[in-house]
Amino acid sequence: DAGVTQSPTHLIKTRGQQVTLRCSPKSGHDTVSWYQQALGQGPQFIFQYYEEEERQRGNFPDRFSGHQFPNYSSELNVNALLLGDSALYLCASSLGQPQHFGDGTRLSIL
Amino acid sequence: AQRVTQPEKLLSVFKGAPVELKCNYSYSGSPELFWYVQYSRQRLQLLLRHISRESIKGFTADLNKGETSFHLKKPFAQEEDSAMYYCALSLTDTGRRALTFGSGTRLQVQP
Repeated sequence: DAGVTQSPTHLIKTRGQQVTLRCSPKSGHDTVSWYQQALGQGPQFIFQYYEEEERQRGNFPDRFSGHQFPNYSSELNVNALLLGDSALYLCASSLGQPQHFGDGTRLSIL
Repeated sequence: AQRVTQPEKLLSVFKGAPVELKCNYSYSGSPELFWYVQYSRQRLQLLLRHISRESIKGFTADLNKGETSFHLKKPFAQEEDSAMYYCALSLTDTGRRALTFGSGTRLQVQP
């Protein structure tokens, strides 16, 4: 089992564009959470998906949206990108606790 | 809102010395506490959680509800312990399972 996999590993966008990040959970996990990690900071919770619905949301604007598919994989979408959205985006999957993390997608906004 | 504080950005010790990474939290209920570790070029991984009361790689952490702390300890540091350590909590008692992380402490173990 490869564990949690995320794609792409790196992405460069310009301000105002839109981006989609993808996550496949660890086998047997049904819950996917997304985190944003800015340089020098701990991960910050964006939202969590369970049974294809957003179960919990952190303090992020509506520009951040997500989706979970029937196979439990998930996408994170960010619209109208800002320079401040540059960060490492982490996906974590779980069956209850604890959460298992992927390697992340490094998003750079120019 | 709940908060996790790790007061030290960097902790440098010599091999064989004791290690204590501090973690304090603010939450009036009964949180679940975790320590995650990130070794160089590796993904974030769980080190230990308070409910399992295990010792992993020689590390232990005790939840002190009176002091709202969950400090990570190891009696004798090894060079391979050098990594970034994050304390995190979840409000599992309320059904909210999102993790709130501290800003992390980098542990450097010198030979």
